[in-house]
Amino acid sequence: DAGVIQSPRHEVTEMGQEVTLRCKPISGHNSLFWYRQTMMRGLELLIYFNNNVPIDDSGMPEDRFSAKMPNASFSTLKIQPSEPRDSAVYFCASSSGVLTEAFFGQGTRLTVV
Amino acid sequence: DQQVKQNSPSLSVQEGRISILNCDYTNSMFDYFLWYKKYPAEGPTFLISISSIKDKNEDGRFTVFLNKSAKHLSLHIVPSQPGDSAVYFCAARVTGGGNKLTFGTGTQLKVEL
Repeated sequence: DAGVIQSPRHEVTEMGQEVTLRCKPISGHNSLFWYRQTMMRGLELLIYFNNNVPIDDSGMPEDRFSAKMPNASFSTLKIQPSEPRDSAVYFCASSSGVLTEAFFGQGTRLTVV
Repeated sequence: DQQVKQNSPSLSVQEGRISILNCDYTNSMFDYFLWYKKYPAEGPTFLISISSIKDKNEDGRFTVFLNKSAKHLSLHIVPSQPGDSAVYFCAARVTGGGNKLTFGTGTQLKVEL
């Protein structure tokens, strides 16, 4: 079974550039989550979707961050413009229901220079 | 404001001994707790969970204990094996709050030969 697929695995970009991270959840899962991992704060939930609808985006740090889920098999997290402090590992996760454990992708390591 | 805290960033244990990883939380509304394990360059994977109506849950070598009055949970691994070396994240959820997980900052476990 294919797990949660994220692309790219690594992204290096210059400050001010737009960055788009992509996620394909596990087929049949109806909840999707975007997390950011940093040393200081661990894993922070940025936003989550249920049935393609954003439910809670209170973790999105600034207006520079936006996320979309146009269909059940694809989601994007966009940062525009990017800043060095956005450097982190971004994880996408999906689950088959609101009360089941989430399965994580391998993450995208973002470096903004 | 870190609602889930893992105060030990690292732990070193000898193979065959018990590993005890600790987690504290501040939000009394949390009623479901999970542990995730993460290897380098991979996403976190679900390990074990416990509902607030229980005080212990066991799965093979892994046992999670919950002390609600102290707002404290711990993960026991016995016997510890070198393959258990990983970062362990504690997470908590409020039922009715969707599947929004609040994670701690993680504890790096190293099991030495």
